[in-house]
Amino acid sequence: EAQVTQNPRYLITVTGKKLTVTCSQNMNHEYMSWYRQDPGLGLRQIYYSMNVEVTDKGDVPEGYKVSRKEKRNFPLILESPSPNQTSLYFCASSILAVRGDTQYFGPGTRLTVL
Amino acid sequence: AQTVTQSQPEMSVQEAETVTLSCTYDTSESNYYLFWYKQPPSRQMILVIRQEAYKQQNATENRFSVNFQKAAKSFSLKISDSQLGDTAMYFCAFHTNAGKSTFGDGTTLTVKP
Repeated sequence: EAQVTQNPRYLITVTGKKLTVTCSQNMNHEYMSWYRQDPGLGLRQIYYSMNVEVTDKGDVPEGYKVSRKEKRNFPLILESPSPNQTSLYFCASSILAVRGDTQYFGPGTRLTVL
Repeated sequence: AQTVTQSQPEMSVQEAETVTLSCTYDTSESNYYLFWYKQPPSRQMILVIRQEAYKQQNATENRFSVNFQKAAKSFSLKISDSQLGDTAMYFCAFHTNAGKSTFGDGTTLTVKP
């Protein structure tokens, strides 16, 4: 089944404890992206990747890191999480961004930082 | 930078009737793509419809259609024959061919029986 998977789906952690949220897609998509969604707001782009080894900042990259060492995986790293990073996180992928292909979204990861 | 504005935080419609959700955007890009996504209570993001900015013809997907006015930078979604399953948050989104994406803050649509 074609899908985008995220792990974990739910996470409660404490301030300053490094964590990684994994994202994997099995559709051979070139483009991947991370978003966060806060109450009353739409999705805001954190980082995106047009292809392997190519990543760029979105609108809210502060406090996050990403890497794209292989096509299928695009992990989101929080080196020192803070309470303002409590949010719902989505990973998405598409075949190609240059032609505006539809993005397929993962199920979301609900992160709480205490 | 681009912005996307959805001016209707909440809307309701009777089952089987038609409703239109508004979206306006601002950009200096010439090549871009517009989307409507649906987010039901499960929080899953689901594509509703996609429009290529260089195409004048409005996109249609079954009961869903858009009114794309490029000069006015307007991209509204019309839902015909509304069904209870259409109850959800709807997001308008702007994607560039350079990979950047911008979403509106959403419109919560309730379909009443």
